Amino acid sequence: GAVVSQHPSRVICKSGTSVKIECRSLDFQATTMFWYRQFPKQSLMLMATSNEGSKATYEQGVEKDKFLINHASLTLSTLTVTSAHPEDSSFYICSAERGPRYEQYFGPGTRLTVT
Amino acid sequence: SQQGEEDPQALSIQEGENATMNCSYKTSINNLQWYRQNSGRGLVHLILIRSNEREKHSGRLRVTLDTSKKSSSLLITASRAADTASYFCATYPNAGKSTFGDGTTLTVKP
Repeated sequence: GAVVSQHPSRVICKSGTSVKIECRSLDFQATTMFWYRQFPKQSLMLMATSNEGSKATYEQGVEKDKFLINHASLTLSTLTVTSAHPEDSSFYICSAERGPRYEQYFGPGTRLTVT
Repeated sequence: SQQGEEDPQALSIQEGENATMNCSYKTSINNLQWYRQNSGRGLVHLILIRSNEREKHSGRLRVTLDTSKKSSSLLITASRAADTASYFCATYPNAGKSTFGDGTTLTVKP
């Protein structure tokens, strides 16, 4: 299957700082990338859908000024958690798809801890 | 309730037994997909089954789809300890975004 990388895999930051998470599709061009948040023992919560060259579409309840998404190319999307707070601590996962309603390829996830 | 609800929430079996997980959904779909997630990791795609298909196999995995009942099942045969993971179904409509269920946590005891 296709490979999606995510960096960093784990990050600890102080409250008030910003953290950037990168998501790359390594061997295919992704028309769309998705950002999810997952709490322990729960399902994935879609945060936003990102298409290259256009603004991300955020899900209801997700603050777009807090979770900045940039989809600079067909292989790279970034999520920046701005002014992070302890309640932003979570597991963030990205995924990429080759085309609409194709299978999604997931990154390994980023564990964010805000102290 | 959400699309793609898995049942049971948790399943514990012995190595060598079969494991069956079910997924129910509410609206029409283009396809349904099953994913596996090991603890603290990303999801791995297992099988995609389209709305006009009834059954698909991949190794020890068998997926069925009943669009009249809006349900799907994932069967893992001859389970192994390495199959221990959470399994999610995701429904893909003809338009709009996909939705993931809450998952089934499978524990296979050696």
